[in-house]
Amino acid sequence: EVQLVESGGGLVQPGGSLRLSCAASGFTFSTYWMHWVRQVPGKGLVWVGHINTDGSTTRYADSVRGRYTFSRDNAKNTLYLQIDSLRAEDTAVYYCGRNAAGWIDKWGQGALVTVSS
Amino acid sequence: DIVMTQSPDSLAVSLGERATINCKSSQSLLYSSNNKYSLAWYQQKPGHPPRLLIYWASARESGVPDRFSGSGSGTDFTLTISSLQAEDVAVYYCHEYVGSSTFGQGTRVELK
Repeated sequence: EVQLVESGGGLVQPGGSLRLSCAASGFTFSTYWMHWVRQVPGKGLVWVGHINTDGSTTRYADSVRGRYTFSRDNAKNTLYLQIDSLRAEDTAVYYCGRNAAGWIDKWGQGALVTVSS
Repeated sequence: DIVMTQSPDSLAVSLGERATINCKSSQSLLYSSNNKYSLAWYQQKPGHPPRLLIYWASARESGVPDRFSGSGSGTDFTLTISSLQAEDVAVYYCHEYVGSSTFGQGTRVELK
């Protein structure tokens, strides 16, 4: 069974940093591009970006470019999202998702990041 | 960037009745390599992640009931639930993946 499990969310102060992890199982992680999508509670889905199979290519939404960094460790079957200089507007549930051929066919359960002092 | 606009924002449908959700893109979603439209639909229930329903505008994901269907071409697409069931109450999102990847704002489906 395909599983994606996010971790690392929580309450963070403005200006701080945080790294989310997405542990993958049930499929050959190293052969799939992966996405990040975020959702402010009660609001819609926003695509954050994606990363290719070996981590050499990343694409970010304009709204997060420069502060967000995607990486992956295929030996550990884990995807990462590093967010620096956190702002209140980064408060959201962050989902990792497996890329099929552009669409997202499997989603994690999400990790809530709350930025507040 | 491509802008995705769903309509309506919400709709109330009686059990067993048809629900129709529209999604309009600001540019054609035709993927020239396979002549298909790069449009997916997802269902999201409260407290849960999205679930893939439809891809390539009309291909139903494995395990999705056949009351869900997708149609459309060019810039105009539709998700139809032919006979609404109680478990279909959710928010539905369209998603283009021919460009940089953009979601519609969502359509909430409720029971009348």
